[in-house]
Amino acid sequence: QQQVKQSPQSLIVQKGGISIINCAYENTAFDYFPWYQQFPGKGPALLIAIRPDVSEKKEGRFTISFNKSAKQFSLHIMDSQPGDSATYFCAASQAAGNKLTFGGGTRVLVKP
Amino acid sequence: GAVVSQHPSRVICKSGTSVKIECRSLDFQATTMFWYRQFPKKSLMLMATSNEGSKATYEQGVEKDKFLINHASLTLSTLTVTSAHPEDSSFYICSARDWGEKLFFGSGTQLSVL
Repeated sequence: QQQVKQSPQSLIVQKGGISIINCAYENTAFDYFPWYQQFPGKGPALLIAIRPDVSEKKEGRFTISFNKSAKQFSLHIMDSQPGDSATYFCAASQAAGNKLTFGGGTRVLVKP
Repeated sequence: GAVVSQHPSRVICKSGTSVKIECRSLDFQATTMFWYRQFPKKSLMLMATSNEGSKATYEQGVEKDKFLINHASLTLSTLTVTSAHPEDSSFYICSARDWGEKLFFGSGTQLSVL
């Protein structure tokens, strides 16, 4: 059972463009939704996270939008740069710091 | 920021041997550590949760006798892949939680079993 579904699987965007990645979850007990960035051969690094009591959170060029009724959340990467080329994972857990259920990942390629 | 050190970063072993992977929290005490497995171009799958001083909790389908986890101190957890076989070849990643709620990931261990 895939509890967190992520789309698209891959994404190509021009430098300066916006990358948008979407995730949907099934378990209504989830209340913590982080996004991770992973480069090849490395562990994931936390980008930004949100809780269901807010609909949007912005940190620098990264924004999470959250729709509790639809059980969906998305990551927007503004002004995408070649250095943003990586695999991005959404995740969910019951409370921050608990075990994470990851989405399938999105490989983002930012073309110069 | 907090650092989680994972060692080795890469290991190649012969089929039938055992391999130990270490996960250390360098500047904080980790009450809980998680072990994940990741196949090429795939997502991270949780294998087990380990709490210091107690037995690990394994996810459904993970063989506890094959993947031995020890969390002997607040800064060290180890994963031992016993009698490794080629199908165990994968990228193994640990993460550690501090006294708060933040999770920090190690840099991963690429295991190749010949």
